[in-house]
Amino acid sequence: GDSVTQMEGPVTLSEEAFLTINCTYTATGYPSLFWYVQYPGEGLQLLLKATKADDKGSNKGFEATYRKETTSFHLEKGSVQVSDSAVYFCALSGGSQGNLIFGKGTKLSVKP
Amino acid sequence: DAGVIQSPRHEVTEMGQEVTLRCKPISGHNSLFWYRQTMMRGLELLIYFNNNVPIDDSGMPEDRFSAKMPNASFSTLKIQPSEPRDSAVYFCASSLGGTSTDTQYFGPGTRLTVL
Repeated sequence: GDSVTQMEGPVTLSEEAFLTINCTYTATGYPSLFWYVQYPGEGLQLLLKATKADDKGSNKGFEATYRKETTSFHLEKGSVQVSDSAVYFCALSGGSQGNLIFGKGTKLSVKP
Repeated sequence: DAGVIQSPRHEVTEMGQEVTLRCKPISGHNSLFWYRQTMMRGLELLIYFNNNVPIDDSGMPEDRFSAKMPNASFSTLKIQPSEPRDSAVYFCASSLGGTSTDTQYFGPGTRLTVL
């Protein structure tokens, strides 16, 4: 079945460091890919998405490119801030009804 | 704009009791999803509805769990009887069309503790 694998955390970075969180997927057909972020005590919020191969999603300085050839959707940010500390989830949606399949999540801590 | 609303935010109950979690989706959204989040298993889809009709409940753990959506603005997830292993955060999410490209909007979750 469809699945998402993302890098294990936690990830600890200093402010202004470069961030990469790896995400790969297995799916039949042509899924849409998402990154969601969960701040402490809150629900998940969409960070960015891409719905077809070679699409780049971007938001708040974060980017991810849908790479069909490597089945990847890695999240990047050039300069992280303390306020980026959260748990990041990679997800795919391939079913006709849009149900999401999530990775395990990667906890990011950014130190001043 | 009101987002997805869930109640209660926290629930503590004793094993064997009935628990009912409630969700109000975003107005105009046609699809509703129930997820469960635990440390061990991460985020799991339990069930989803499209136009108030349950489409796939294969993620529901067992017969103790049931979900209903009597109208477009309300859904419930019921656990009867509850067990300690049901302790988790339960999220409700809704989306406009329920297709694979649609964004799901999540509620704040209900943290359930079964003693």
